[in-house]
Amino acid sequence: GQSLEQPSEVTAVEGAIVQINCTYQTSGFYGLSWYQQHDGGAPTFLSYNGLDGLEETGRFSSFLSRSDSYGYLLLQELQMKDSASYFCAVRDNRDDKIIFGKGTRLHILP
Amino acid sequence: DSGVTQTPKHLITATGQRVTLRCSPRSGDLSVYWYQQSLDQGLQFLIQYYNGEERAKGNILERFSAQQFPDLHSELNLSSLELGDSALYFCASSAFSQSLPYNEQFFGPGTRLTVL
Repeated sequence: GQSLEQPSEVTAVEGAIVQINCTYQTSGFYGLSWYQQHDGGAPTFLSYNGLDGLEETGRFSSFLSRSDSYGYLLLQELQMKDSASYFCAVRDNRDDKIIFGKGTRLHILP
Repeated sequence: DSGVTQTPKHLITATGQRVTLRCSPRSGDLSVYWYQQSLDQGLQFLIQYYNGEERAKGNILERFSAQQFPDLHSELNLSSLELGDSALYFCASSAFSQSLPYNEQFFGPGTRLTVL
């Protein structure tokens, strides 16, 4: 089967940098996406890596290495408003099913 | 505001009942996705429709069905409800096209279903 593994929780300090990892077991997929979800809110799209390497969007960066079956989301200059859950997701390239990881809850300390 | 609307916001019903959740995608988006999110669970992909046709199917139960209408709004029907069906149900839309393997999804605010 296909699965995405993420740490359930990560804690970091305001102003610091944090990396949220996503490892996967899937035979083929189009690319790795990341979504943010605040408590009581809907997921919002953060980034997408179709190719290996680093994608940067402001304070957020995302990385993919298909050879290592691994990706990560990097958040810099952490702000209290970044406290949320972060999900990685892929679309299977055989049947177009979408698979989300169970999410990483990010706690930010002042 | 993502531009995706879902109704109702909350739904409380009893086991064995049937409910319909409704979703209107962003203007111009042809693709609609349905997800289930239970407590402490990630997002479980249920089904995707593209321009009225079923495009991809996840682990959707046989008791659940969906459709996308000519005006592109979509409905998710849940029948013979069980306690375990209590969850947040999200609809998302995207400008998915057959030639692009991926498009950013825009999520609606969700419908919280409680089965008593």
